[in-house]
Amino acid sequence: AQTVTQSQPEMSVQEAETVTLSCTYDTSESDYYLFWYKQPPSRQMILVIRQEAYKQQNATENRFSVNFQKAAKSFSLKISDSQLGDAAMYFCVYTGNQFYFGTGTSLTVIP
Amino acid sequence: SQTIHQWPATLVQPVGSPLSLECTVEGTSNPNLYWYRQAAGRGLQLLFYSVGIGQISSEVPQNLSASRPQDRQFILSSKKLLLSDSGFYLCAWVGVSSYNEQFFGPGTRLTVL
Repeated sequence: AQTVTQSQPEMSVQEAETVTLSCTYDTSESDYYLFWYKQPPSRQMILVIRQEAYKQQNATENRFSVNFQKAAKSFSLKISDSQLGDAAMYFCVYTGNQFYFGTGTSLTVIP
Repeated sequence: SQTIHQWPATLVQPVGSPLSLECTVEGTSNPNLYWYRQAAGRGLQLLFYSVGIGQISSEVPQNLSASRPQDRQFILSSKKLLLSDSGFYLCAWVGVSSYNEQFFGPGTRLTVL
């Protein structure tokens, strides 16, 4: 069965600095999508970034980028120039035939 | 544009009482629909998903049930709530051409006393 592992329950970063959140997954499928979702204190789940497995190029959305290593089954999220509004729980999500969520990483941004 | 609604936003219920949470989607047709539960400070647990009217798949055996009476309506129910049913319930949908991206509703915070 597919699993998603986020090994960092909590992370902190100084405002304006860069932080990387880790995610690994296990799958035997060749075609799938990977996502990072953000859940701020309001608890609304917000899409941060998406990566299609068939694309070699790493996805980028403004200050957010991923390092997708398909062979290693790794999908890390890099947040550059961290802002106070980035403080949230971040979930790594795998989807092929089903959706699988990691346990989340709580990110604190220090002013 | 597509929107997803959930109500109520907050609910406090006594143990043993019934439950009905509603989720509706606008602006799309034949979406896949999902119910998740999130305990405080934890990840999401998939409860049910539906690929069409009347089609429900259960991921976790429990005292909850789901129904999809209309294409864009998804209901989570219980006949008798347990203390362990407390949590944050999220509804989500996936469209045919949304690259498997899930769109989430605002959630319902349920407290069972």
